[in-house]
Amino acid sequence: DAKTTQPNSMESNEEEPVHLPCNHSTISGTDYIHWYRQLPSQGPEYVIHGLTSNVNNRMASLAIAEDRKSSTLILHRATLRDAAVYYCILDYSNYQLIWGAGTKLIIKP
Amino acid sequence: DAGITQSPRYKITETGRQVTLMCHQTWSHSYMFWYRQDLGHGLRLIYYSAAADITDKGEVPDGYVVSRSKTENFPLTLESATRSQTSVYFCASSGQGALNQPQHFGDGTRLSIL
Repeated sequence: DAKTTQPNSMESNEEEPVHLPCNHSTISGTDYIHWYRQLPSQGPEYVIHGLTSNVNNRMASLAIAEDRKSSTLILHRATLRDAAVYYCILDYSNYQLIWGAGTKLIIKP
Repeated sequence: DAGITQSPRYKITETGRQVTLMCHQTWSHSYMFWYRQDLGHGLRLIYYSAAADITDKGEVPDGYVVSRSKTENFPLTLESATRSQTSVYFCASSGQGALNQPQHFGDGTRLSIL
């Protein structure tokens, strides 16, 4: 099964951009890259997803490496409400998302 | 408000008891999912359903039973609860499976088995 590797935690200052990395060296050509986040005591929340090209939405941007072996979630201007665990997930088959432990993002005021 | 609701939010029961967790969505999404999340870990898929009367096993199905008689409901039953099933359970739905479509999650059920 394709897996992802993320740092356990990251810190950033409020109102600054945040770059959350994800490695997925065993990704196959049809695997989508999904990002979700989970705030304390809540269910996960969809952030963004992509296949090959960089993607933007109102929440974030997703930069995908040309070889697709890594990707970066970009929060353009972090707020305290962005403090959460961020999961990078590969969507490979049978509708199963394989979740890792994610990156705990800490935002300092 | 439209959305996905889980009940109960909290449940304490004893080993050997049967317990059912409820999940209801108002989007008419075809796909629904049950996950469990153990402390400090990511989610693991228990079962999923592509449509009414169609269900399939996920990564960790043992000890669980699901049914889907109506599109909007997807209950999860622990037929004989064990302590190892203490966890937070999340239900999710999506319009067209996980490929290319986001999953929308409920707020979870915290289940403790004594």
